[in-house]
Parts: sequence; structure tokens; C-alpha cells
Amino acid sequence: DVKVTQSSRYLVKRTGEKVFLECVQDMDHENMFWYRQDPGLGLRLIYFSYDVKMKEKGDIPEGYSVSREKKERFSLILESASTNQTSMYLCASSLLVALPRHGYTFGSGTRLTVV
Amino acid sequence: ELKVEQNPLFLSMQEGKNYTIYCNYSTTSDRLYWYRQDPGKSLESLFVLLSNGAVKQEGRLMASLDTKARLSTLHITAAVHDLSATYFCAVDNGSEKLVFGKGTKLTVNP
Repeated sequence: DVKVTQSSRYLVKRTGEKVFLECVQDMDHENMFWYRQDPGLGLRLIYFSYDVKMKEKGDIPEGYSVSREKKERFSLILESASTNQTSMYLCASSLLVALPRHGYTFGSGTRLTVV
Repeated sequence: ELKVEQNPLFLSMQEGKNYTIYCNYSTTSDRLYWYRQDPGKSLESLFVLLSNGAVKQEGRLMASLDTKARLSTLHITAAVHDLSATYFCAVDNGSEKLVFGKGTKLTVNP
């Protein structure tokens, strides 16, 4: 089974800190995604990547950046954390040509609190 | 822009009853996915529907897809407490990205 691992389940950070959320997948997936999940808003796409060093903005990229230096790792960076970035962050991955049959595989999520 | 709407957003039902969750989407797509999320956990894939008329069943859950109506349904038969969770539908927007509905929080009461 594909495994998508997010490095932290819970994080508490201070306003203004630079925050790194890490995601690693072990099945050679090309596509990787970062979503945030908030009550009443569902899942919203922040950034995604189709390949190493490649990134594209999703629906809500403001205040975030990403890094994909290796195929298996996709990092989400909060340049200067703010309280409105308190949320559950979900990483997902998929095969480039197999999305139709398998959809995404999600990590376990990181609940970030910014104080 | 693809929009995905689920209803209801909250559903409280008694054990043993039947109910249906609806997922409507705004632009043409023939690829739809259902996920389950337990509290504090991540999303788990339930069903993948890849063509008009597709029907998938797993235990007390059955999902179907009508691409002409741009509608998918998730039918719950004889609900049990273990089905309590949030259910999401997601639609492929044609460029390897899924657009998610807001989720339906299902509570099954004894």
C-alpha cells in the first residue's frame, strides 16, 4: 500500500514564525498536493506539484510556499505564520496516469495551531 | 470553474434507517470519488466511479454516478453506529486535480 507520511500530527507555533510541514510518500508518485481543511469549508487546495522542482498554485496559495527537491518529498512552508493559518493540513499524492483508478492517497494530517 | 456541492452537510439518523447523500457538480466529468474521514483522522478512499451509470457497493454503502445529471449518490442501508463519520465526494477537474465537496457529517444514533 502507498504510504503518505506527514512528519507531525500536532504543531503549535507562534505568530511570525517560519513553519515547515513535511510530507513523504514511498510509492514513486508524481503528483503531490497540500490541502487545508477547515470546518464548514471542506478541503481547499494550497499548492500542488507534478514533478521535482515543479509547483503550481492552488486555490489559496497566499501566505504559503512549497518545495519539492526530491520526488518523494513535498514541503509546505508558512513564511510568517499567522493565527488565520490555524488549521488541519493534509498532504496527498497520486500517480500521474492512475488518478482515474486510484484517486489520491492522503497522509494522516497535521493539526497546526498558531498562537 | 468546477464546483462540487454536497447535501446534506449534517445528517443525524437512527440505526437501521436508510438515507442518501447527494453530490452535485457543475461541469462535465466522468470521474468521481468518495472518501470517508473519521474524527481527527485523514481521508480514506471508499469508492471510485469512472463512468456514467457506475455503481459500487461495500457493505451498507452504495455509490452511483449519473454523469448526465452531474450527480452522484451515496446510499446508506440499515445504518449502524460504525458508519458515523464525515463523507466527502470529489470530482476530477480534468487536469489531475480533485475538487472536493464540503463533506457530510453523518451521525448514527442507537
